[in-house]
Amino acid sequence: DAGVTQSPTHLIKTRGQQVTLRCSPISGHKSVSWYQQVLGQGPQFIFQYYEKEERGRGNFPDRFSARQFPNYSSELNVNALLLGDSALYLCASSLDWGIGEKLFFGSGTQLSVL
Amino acid sequence: AQTVTQSQPEMSVQEAETVTLSCTYDTSESDYYLFWYKQPPSRQMILVIRQEAYKQQNATENRFSVNFQKAAKSFSLKISDSQLGDAAMYFCAYRSGINAGGTSYGKLTFGQGTILTVHP
Repeated sequence: DAGVTQSPTHLIKTRGQQVTLRCSPISGHKSVSWYQQVLGQGPQFIFQYYEKEERGRGNFPDRFSARQFPNYSSELNVNALLLGDSALYLCASSLDWGIGEKLFFGSGTQLSVL
Repeated sequence: AQTVTQSQPEMSVQEAETVTLSCTYDTSESDYYLFWYKQPPSRQMILVIRQEAYKQQNATENRFSVNFQKAAKSFSLKISDSQLGDAAMYFCAYRSGINAGGTSYGKLTFGQGTILTVHP
């Protein structure tokens, strides 16, 4: 079975641009979460979605938004990119949204903002 | 807000030896989960082991085990019979319980990570 897939793998943008990152969860998984990992640090929680509804939101500005589709895939959008948005963006999926659920992560999208 | 601290930026171990990675956390909640994740150079976060706060018994997964000290808010990871493939960045993570509510529900809070090197 395929794991969590993210696209694109790498992305280069300039300040002020907008970017969309995509995530396909493991088949049967209904919850998707997004994390931002700046080089040398642990991942920071951005969003959690379950059954197409936002269930959790981290401390990120409104420039960050996300949505989940009927097939449970998800997109993360970042508007008005800043240099500080350069990071590895990780998507994770789980069967349900309970706190004990095992999260399965993708390999991430490396975003570079110039 | 919950915080997770990993005080060892780097650790090293000889192949076949045992190593312990430290983690402490701060919370006022009674219901939560703790996790150890491994991140190899491929960047994919891989779940190593998880522990529910209500369970007294320490979790074990093959060569990996934890020492969970709830009162001390300590959650260390022991890797026995270390293998070259264990070399990676290891992250300790905390997940708020069902009673946390609000927008933090489901959020994993990660520590800063510990780089583990395994010497042949």
